[in-house]
Amino acid sequence: KNQVEQSPQSLIILEGKNCTLQCNYTVSPFSNLRWYKQDTGRGPVSLTIMTFSENTKSNGRYTATLDADTKQSSLHITASQLSDSASYICVVTASGGSYIPTFGRGTSLIVHP
Amino acid sequence: GAGVSQSPSNKVTEKGKDVELRCDPISGHTALYWYRQRLGQGLEFLIYFQGNSAPDKSGLPSDRFSAERTGESVSTLTIQRTQQEDSAVYLCASSLAPLNTEAFFGQGTRLTVV
Repeated sequence: KNQVEQSPQSLIILEGKNCTLQCNYTVSPFSNLRWYKQDTGRGPVSLTIMTFSENTKSNGRYTATLDADTKQSSLHITASQLSDSASYICVVTASGGSYIPTFGRGTSLIVHP
Repeated sequence: GAGVSQSPSNKVTEKGKDVELRCDPISGHTALYWYRQRLGQGLEFLIYFQGNSAPDKSGLPSDRFSAERTGESVSTLTIQRTQQEDSAVYLCASSLAPLNTEAFFGQGTRLTVV
């Protein structure tokens, strides 16, 4: 069964601090992994997408890593800002078949002033 | 208990009345936070308790709002003379100090002022 597990479920950090969110998956065969940011009441916005051959990808203060061997990904946020407060969702898509993505439950991040 | 517990889960009150919301944090968690979430909005910080230190009240929107915490246990958020704009979900979270550790949220109290 394809699963995506995220940790922690919630995180509160001080403005300006760094944090790292984790994503473990059992989706196979692997096609790609996306990190999304979802503000409350809004649709998710893609931050990064990585395929099997990519180990790291950055988008401004967001850096995602992927270890396809251990089936783990992380999203590192540098110098957090109040606007980073949101839910961060890891989504893994399998190759072949209908390409239906598997969603993690998300990590709720609050940046504390 | 196993998680953060909030009560009541729902509260409907008449404008001008006082309300008291309760939060039972996870045992051993010294940090406790109150947030407000209006419909369709993000989380709005209200107040933060850390152990026996003076609470950070910088998020309280007016003097009608106050909160107390007994030691490192139960916290109550009181809203006096409620107004319709106070209608929101009030969320409580707790975590082990210091910050940057996982925070656990209660299910919230949905307050409706009519």
